[in-house]
Amino acid sequence: KNEVEQSPQNLTAQEGEFITINCSYSVGISALHWLQQHPGGGIVSLFMLSSGKKKHGRLIATINIQEKHSSLHITASHPRDSAVYTCAVDYGGSQGNLIFGKGTKLSVKP
Amino acid sequence: DTGVSQDPRHKITKRGQNVTFRCDPISEHNRLYWYRQTLGQGPEFLTYFQNEAQLEKSRLLSDRFSAERPKGSFSTLEIQRTEQGDSAMYLCASSPGTAGTRPHYEQYFGPGTRLTVT
Repeated sequence: KNEVEQSPQNLTAQEGEFITINCSYSVGISALHWLQQHPGGGIVSLFMLSSGKKKHGRLIATINIQEKHSSLHITASHPRDSAVYTCAVDYGGSQGNLIFGKGTKLSVKP
Repeated sequence: DTGVSQDPRHKITKRGQNVTFRCDPISEHNRLYWYRQTLGQGPEFLTYFQNEAQLEKSRLLSDRFSAERPKGSFSTLEIQRTEQGDSAMYLCASSPGTAGTRPHYEQYFGPGTRLTVT
């Protein structure tokens, strides 16, 4: 049973569109991570958050602790944003290992 | 490059052979994690080191798997008597943080070792 659910699994968008990827989890967490992986590339950490909202360039991550839900938004999407986006949660154990969602494959067409 | 490195990047082996992977974390990072990722799935936690101590092992880590982190620096993951089901991407990540502390840290991932068992 996967305790972290992402939607959608696949997403195709036109360049310039606003994109939202959703992540929900089952129990209380200490922190939630959003990660990016380009085709053939390694995993890169985009955000780590435990409350509120963070912004970096065209990327925005929000988290609602009460609803156990997080969203990753991409404004003015670009073909270079095409990648797999994964959320991962830290349930607060002493070791800090992450539980990952299955990822959302984003393709942005020019 | 001061990121996390893994070696080899790709490994093809015959069923029944032993394989060993290496991970070099970011030098000042105390915590090191191994994850496994199969096609279409997110990574799954395998094991965790705090310095040289292996503090947590997933039930995914059968007795054919062993991991070490001598001297708290690089780590190795060995798989004995490989099976086709072991084919996956093996990811290593490191983060700062000392034992018993709970500020949250980002994890920095290596490029992974892709294992194919034929």
